[in-house]
Amino acid sequence: GENVEQHPSTLSVQEGDSAVIKCTYSDSASNYFPWYKQELGKRPQLIIDIRSNVGEKKDQRIAVTLNKTAKHFSLHITETQPEDSAVYFCAASDSFQKLVFGTGTRLLVSP
Amino acid sequence: SQTIHQWPATLVQPVGSPLSLECTVEGTSNPNLYWYRQAAGRGLQLLFYSVGIGQISSEVPQNLSASRPQDRQFILSSKKLLLSDSGFYLCAWTLSGRAGNEQFFGPGTRLTVL
Repeated sequence: GENVEQHPSTLSVQEGDSAVIKCTYSDSASNYFPWYKQELGKRPQLIIDIRSNVGEKKDQRIAVTLNKTAKHFSLHITETQPEDSAVYFCAASDSFQKLVFGTGTRLLVSP
Repeated sequence: SQTIHQWPATLVQPVGSPLSLECTVEGTSNPNLYWYRQAAGRGLQLLFYSVGIGQISSEVPQNLSASRPQDRQFILSSKKLLLSDSGFYLCAWTLSGRAGNEQFFGPGTRLTVL
């Protein structure tokens, strides 16, 4: 089955800096890669996703890149703000619309 | 629009007691449904998923079970809770029939087993 690894586990940046979170997956058949943001005590919320026929997708300050050959994808957040502080999860869809999640990255943005 | 409900929101139960958590989805038909558990400070562990009424797939063998008695209702149960069952339980749904759909999460149930 699919296995997703996520790094780093924690990331501290200053407000205005960029943040990058990286994930690797094992199943070359996976074709859908979402990123979720989870604030403390809340449900995960989708912030951006990418499908395997696309190499990069951007939505304002966030972007995701996908390298199918290397089986890795990354989340990029530019001009970080304190409200970006949260836990971010990557995931990969292997089959039957099941998502396999990474272990999460705790992002702390300091003012 | 679609809405997903979970109840109860919080629950404190003694070890060995039974459990029943309910999830319902409004505004869609024949969704795929999922149960996840999140231990404190940890990631999301898929417990069960269902592609239709009465169809349940288990991802992790444990003392939990799931049922789908109606199209938009998903229930997570246990006959005897363990301390290790404590966590944040999340129900999620996707549209069926097309790969790569977004999963929408419910508000979750925070379970504490004492």
